[in-house]
Amino acid sequence: DAMVIQNPRYQVTQFGKPVTLSCSQTLNHNVMYWYQQKSSQAPKLLFHYYDKDFNNEADTPDNFQSRRPNTSFCFLDIRSPGLGDAAMYLCATSRGRVATDTQYFGPGTRLTVL
Amino acid sequence: DQQVKQNSPSLSVQEGRISILNCDYTNSMFDYFLWYKKYPAEGPTFLISISSIKDKNEDGRFTVFLNKSAKHLSLHIVPSQPGDSAVYFCAASSDNTDKLIFGTGTRLQVFP
Repeated sequence: DAMVIQNPRYQVTQFGKPVTLSCSQTLNHNVMYWYQQKSSQAPKLLFHYYDKDFNNEADTPDNFQSRRPNTSFCFLDIRSPGLGDAAMYLCATSRGRVATDTQYFGPGTRLTVL
Repeated sequence: DQQVKQNSPSLSVQEGRISILNCDYTNSMFDYFLWYKKYPAEGPTFLISISSIKDKNEDGRFTVFLNKSAKHLSLHIVPSQPGDSAVYFCAASSDNTDKLIFGTGTRLQVFP
């Protein structure tokens, strides 16, 4: 089945130790999104790629970076994780950027910062 | 500043009855609304949507109602089934933005 895959599902890192989360898709979608969801809060968009065009949300901390080396893969790099970065990180894809283009989500990576 | 609000964190409904999940929004520019459903250990999956030119959209047991004057939408599930037990997220978008704004979710439990 075509799908959005996230690895790892659980990631534990130490305060200040860089970490990379991975997302891959077999849907051949143009757009890939990264969301952060903290406990009992709404998923919050960090940034998205439309093809190779990177779009950062204004309030996304500089500590968060992303790479999309090809259509299928997108990475979230957290350069110096703080305790406040502990959250579920959701990757999503869509064919286009308009709201009527359904976003398909991966299962998420739960990040713990010690 | 939460532009999309789901004020009920949880809802418990008996199997066979109607489930009504509510969502309020503050931005009058929103013109497209969606509901996503999330099971544990899975990502959210799209359930149903509605454009602001409509006030109702129906898909099987699921109906979404939109009241633009009240800036309120609701999701009705009739009849509710135990398999509907999940977290439901409301989301909104507008023509001049390319992103979805999500609510905090409502956990629905359908008991036998």
